[in-house]
Amino acid sequence: ILNVEQSPQSLHVQEGDSTNFTCSFPSSNFYALHWYRWETAKSPEALFVMTLNGDEKKKGRISATLNTKEGYSYLYIKGSQPEDSATYLCAPYNQGGKLIFGQGTELSVKP
Amino acid sequence: EAGVTQFPSHSVIEKGQTVTLRCDPISGHDNLYWYRRVMGKEIKFLLHFVKESKQDESGMPNNRFLAERTGGTYSTLKVQPAELEDSGVYFCASSQVRELGQYFGPGTRLTVT
Repeated sequence: ILNVEQSPQSLHVQEGDSTNFTCSFPSSNFYALHWYRWETAKSPEALFVMTLNGDEKKKGRISATLNTKEGYSYLYIKGSQPEDSATYLCAPYNQGGKLIFGQGTELSVKP
Repeated sequence: EAGVTQFPSHSVIEKGQTVTLRCDPISGHDNLYWYRRVMGKEIKFLLHFVKESKQDESGMPNNRFLAERTGGTYSTLKVQPAELEDSGVYFCASSQVRELGQYFGPGTRLTVT
């Protein structure tokens, strides 16, 4: 896996807005993909581990989908809250075990 | 269950000095990883231990970086001598099974002046 791209780089929304981010990755040698939520000075928090094409996972107001054939994953947040403000990181990996991170999408939710 | 811990949380040193970062993984996790995030860039893999053995150290930038995991428990990452470009956040992560769920520590923010 050589290049992981996340878009947008940053996003500013109002409380209550729904939002989504994209993670693009090379589809060859795919094994699994992590989504993490990271607030500065805290541990990146694992949101989802996704492995199968067509996977859709949900945790509260956050959900994610995975397309391994075309090499992308979407993360959705429904009804954003100020506490959702963080950097969202995607990290696919092959069977070597090391995560390859994108630069992240920095989300800011204003009350 | 205690999470991954890292010490110190912050370190400010001068160029040419030595710094040692420590990581305590979740108890029972054989896999331990070091990653680094340089300002404005993505988090990058440094190396991977399985117990006390280095499984993959392909991400280590140069021979100024030395990682150890004696006894297969905690790990240290030493930078000697530190350079300005070593500044960043150093993360440690651990997992029980290599392919699944890496749990991250809060990171050590290193500033080299």
